[in-house]
Amino acid sequence: DVKVTQSSRYLVKRTGEKVFLECVQDMDHENMFWYRQDPGLGLRLIYFSYDVKMKEKGDIPEGYSVSREKKERFSLILESASTNQTSMYLCASSHRKLKMAGELFFGEGSRLTVL
Amino acid sequence: LAKTTQPISMDSYEGQEVNITCSHNNIATNDYITWYQQFPSQGPRFIIQGYKTKVTNEVASLFIPADRKSSTLSLPRVSLSDTAVYYCLVGDKRYSGAGSYQLTFGKGTKLSVIP
Repeated sequence: DVKVTQSSRYLVKRTGEKVFLECVQDMDHENMFWYRQDPGLGLRLIYFSYDVKMKEKGDIPEGYSVSREKKERFSLILESASTNQTSMYLCASSHRKLKMAGELFFGEGSRLTVL
Repeated sequence: LAKTTQPISMDSYEGQEVNITCSHNNIATNDYITWYQQFPSQGPRFIIQGYKTKVTNEVASLFIPADRKSSTLSLPRVSLSDTAVYYCLVGDKRYSGAGSYQLTFGKGTKLSVIP
């Protein structure tokens, strides 16, 4: 059974803390994505990666960075967490081939609260 | 960027067929049309994908007219468990040189199925 696993379902952090959100996929997918989801705003793309050590900014990269050292793992980093980064974070992966790239597999999400 | 427009919400009674239409006037030649379903506190789940004409699977049908400027997701005989948010997406190949392919989510259509 294919799987995208996010390390934590729920996290509570304090303003200014460094936060790591980890995502692992077991489908040998080339593409990996980080989205955040907020009420009334839908899903917004933060960063994506189409290969190891490669990354591209999405629509809202400010305040975030990412790391992809291995194909199966894509990490989202909040260098100094702020209250406006309280959100649901969703990781996804997809195949590189154009037709199959439209099928994203999502993790269950990580709900981050920054106090 | 290819952008989509879909109704914010829809209500339907159990057992009815539901059609959700999405417009995507700026769809590009290479773009596929993809629909996702999301239940509360879960990541979105792929439902169906198509390029033109009609696609059917065990969950839904997707109708795409010849000009591809819109598409309609059809859910036959909905039940209470179909209550969810449905997203229509078209591909966005921003970095064709690297072969990457990302999807931009809108705000989706909240479908409420009434007993």
